[in-house]
Amino acid sequence: GAVVSQHPSRVICKSGTSVKIECRSLDFQATTMFWYRQFPKQSLMLMATSNEGSKATYEQGVEKDKFLINHASLTLSTLTVTSAHPEDSSFYICSAKRGSGQPQHFGDGTRLSIL
Amino acid sequence: QQQVKQSPQSLIVQKGGISIINCAYENTAFDYFPWYQQFPGKGPALLIAIRPDVSEKKEGRFTISFNKSAKQFSLHIMDSQPGDSATYFCAASAGTDKLIFGTGTRLQVFP
Repeated sequence: GAVVSQHPSRVICKSGTSVKIECRSLDFQATTMFWYRQFPKQSLMLMATSNEGSKATYEQGVEKDKFLINHASLTLSTLTVTSAHPEDSSFYICSAKRGSGQPQHFGDGTRLSIL
Repeated sequence: QQQVKQSPQSLIVQKGGISIINCAYENTAFDYFPWYQQFPGKGPALLIAIRPDVSEKKEGRFTISFNKSAKQFSLHIMDSQPGDSATYFCAASAGTDKLIFGTGTRLQVFP
């Protein structure tokens, strides 16, 4: 159990376009979902924490108007990278947890490449 | 104070050997210490986790040793196999469930 699905797994698009990434908890209800960014050979950097039905909490230095997060249901959160530019190219990973004190389960990530 | 320091950065181990990865923290409020395994192009997968009320936890070939007074914890992989070759991350959290990740250790196990 505790499967988290992320879609798409890879996306390539032109500079200036917006890209939406979906994160779904397949076999459990996720009260909290997290979005991370990972550069090659580096650790995971937390971008934001989202709770179902409320606004996301962004980490310092993360532009909330650029990285729009929606957590509309207990099984779905979306990250939209608005007006993407080459510097936004990265590996974006989501995670989900059942509740407080429960472990985070990660999706398989989305490789975003902006040309 | 929020950092989790991880070492070594990379590790090469012979098949059947023991792989040891170490992490240290400063924030005494941390109360949950998981280890994640990540293969290239994949998300991290939870391996094993420990809370500070125990000094050791073992699951199969994986063992976490925890030293509360030294604020250190380590992952031991016994009988390391080529399939264990991956990047390993330690992490810590303090009640809020927000994980602070270590910098990662790239493990290579050679036959």
